[in-house]
Amino acid sequence: GEDVEQSLFLSVREGDSSVINCTYTDSSSTYLYWYKQEPGAGLQLLTYIFSNMDMKQDQRLTVLLNKKDKHLSLRIADTQTGDSAIYFCAESKGGGGADGLTFGKGTHLIIQP
Amino acid sequence: DAGVIQSPRHEVTEMGQEVTLRCKPISGHNSLFWYRQTMMRGLELLIYFNNNVPIDDSGMPEDRFSAKMPNASFSTLKIQPSEPRDSAVYFCASRGQGALSGYTFGSGTRLTVV
Repeated sequence: GEDVEQSLFLSVREGDSSVINCTYTDSSSTYLYWYKQEPGAGLQLLTYIFSNMDMKQDQRLTVLLNKKDKHLSLRIADTQTGDSAIYFCAESKGGGGADGLTFGKGTHLIIQP
Repeated sequence: DAGVIQSPRHEVTEMGQEVTLRCKPISGHNSLFWYRQTMMRGLELLIYFNNNVPIDDSGMPEDRFSAKMPNASFSTLKIQPSEPRDSAVYFCASRGQGALSGYTFGSGTRLTVV
């Protein structure tokens, strides 16, 4: 199976909270990341969390990590039209050294007016 | 800081031609990564370098693909000969040392092989 899994689509109303979920399989993953990709653009790092943390908050973004279930979520409060993008969950194997990221397929966040 | 710079932004080429994609990492970053993005397979790590040395090229799909990093400020990804199934967006990313250093991606090169 896939190393990192995400739902392909999420539709929310403007102003509501968006919760994007991700599961991963590698228990040795040390760092977990959320990236945002707008149409025709590269990937922008939104936030990351160390595996020894269970929550991280940064303005409208909240990341929750359940290491036991290997489940990661990204909550975007007060979702705006500018949040419309593809959101990628990614894991880094190993101790945060120079290794590559393994990405999920991405979740398309669709904002309804 | 100009970020990770990739060129060209778009490349259209005929099947069988050689294609060279270029990347300039962020100054001071010692790791460089090449990714490929397609609708079917998502983002795939092709190869990465640490201090200009290739560390893992297990993601390179075939011998038609090769990558070099002659110095700390430049890397190339070459496809020879190119095929239509190579059409994708190719991203370069760089990362500095230390646990808190994140990965920074370039804007990508959209390759179309006809």
